[in-house]
Amino acid sequence: EAAVTQSPRNKVAVTGGKVTLSCNQTNNHNNMYWYRQDTGHGLRLIHYSYGAGSTEKGDIPDGYKASRPSQENFSLILELATPSQTSVYFCASGDVDGNTEVFFGKGTRLTVV
Amino acid sequence: SQLAEENSWALSVHEGESVTVNCSYKTSITALQWYRQKSGKGPAQLILIRSNERHNRNGRLRATLDTSSQSSSLSITATRCEDTAVYFCARDYGSSGNKLIFGTGTLFSVKP
Repeated sequence: EAAVTQSPRNKVAVTGGKVTLSCNQTNNHNNMYWYRQDTGHGLRLIHYSYGAGSTEKGDIPDGYKASRPSQENFSLILELATPSQTSVYFCASGDVDGNTEVFFGKGTRLTVV
Repeated sequence: SQLAEENSWALSVHEGESVTVNCSYKTSITALQWYRQKSGKGPAQLILIRSNERHNRNGRLRATLDTSSQSSSLSITATRCEDTAVYFCARDYGSSGNKLIFGTGTLFSVKP
């Protein structure tokens, strides 16, 4: 069974603080993705990665950085968190390209106060 | 702009009825996928349909693809209460097809 694990599952952060969301996959997939989900917007792509050492900007990268230190791990970093970044964040992994299934984690609910 | 977009925000049916969710997209695709997201969980794939296919089936679910009109539909027959979820279409995008872009989703409710 494909497994994508996110941590933490819930996080409250203060405005201006640094937040790191972590994601681990045991699928040996090349591609990993970070999405945020907000009511009325569906899932929006923040950053993605083709493999260890690579990160690419998605559709809404402003205010976010990403890091892929290994095949298994992909982090999303908010250097200076803002209330507008309050959302549910999903990590996902997939093999090769958008022509195959993508497996999602359970999500991280981030509240920036 | 949306690269994959469902055509309804919300649908509601009674258990046992059938329902269809539609999706349109704006540029050529390699494949289109349908995902379901239940409350409090991440999305999970239901069906993948490639650009050279016209339909695909997974149990009570059937997806169609019309590349000439750039649209897809997901039909669910004999609906059950556990089918209540948000349904997304998603498409590959980018020069290498590595990005997966989702529509805004359709909230589908099945009433007893």
